[in-house]
Amino acid sequence: EVQLVESGGDLVQPGGSLRLSCAASGFTFSTYAMHWVRQAPGKGLLYVSAISSNGGSTYYENSVKGRFTISRDNSKNTLYLQMGSLRADDTAVYYCARGNSPSWRNDAFDLWGQGTMVTVSS
Amino acid sequence: SYVLTQPPSVSVAPGQTARITCGGNNIGSKRVHWYQQKPGQAPVLVVYDDSDRPSGIPERFSGSNSGNTATLTISRVEAGDEADFYCQVWGNSSDQYVFGTGTKVTVL
Repeated sequence: EVQLVESGGDLVQPGGSLRLSCAASGFTFSTYAMHWVRQAPGKGLLYVSAISSNGGSTYYENSVKGRFTISRDNSKNTLYLQMGSLRADDTAVYYCARGNSPSWRNDAFDLWGQGTMVTVSS
Repeated sequence: SYVLTQPPSVSVAPGQTARITCGGNNIGSKRVHWYQQKPGQAPVLVVYDDSDRPSGIPERFSGSNSGNTATLTISRVEAGDEADFYCQVWGNSSDQYVFGTGTKVTVL
């Protein structure tokens, strides 16, 4: 079955760190760009980060630049998001999504995981 | 940064046609994608590149894009179409992905 499964969401204190994972199956992971999108409770979708199919190029939305790091392990078919210096406004469901090209630019997101909840609170 | 504006809500009777707009400066020059998100679920791509449908998406879903407005049209609306809908573009001049504000479709 073609799917993405996120994990790693948790309750974390402000200033803390967390690593999210996204396990891919049912398709050739190494040929697709991958993305992270988040959604705060009751709010709309917000773009977070992207990585090209070979991991050689990355992109970050301004509010997470310098705090979050996206990476991938194509041998394990897994995408990661290392999150640091977490703030209350990072609280959201984090979705991984597959882009419909090898590059991370100008993609549509044609496959989404079920999401993992990150709560930043003391 | 590039802004996409959608109406907060659209109401439609079963069997009728729902039209959801997505406004942006010269959006007609960009490739627009549309997502459907039902409560408690992940988004699903329903239209990409303005008017193409992924496999498995009913022909009742169609899209258009011109000038400053893109439109998602849902024909012969069914109760199961109730959801939030988001448009999305790649704002190439500012090198960023942008989602619209979202539209809640209610089937009366």
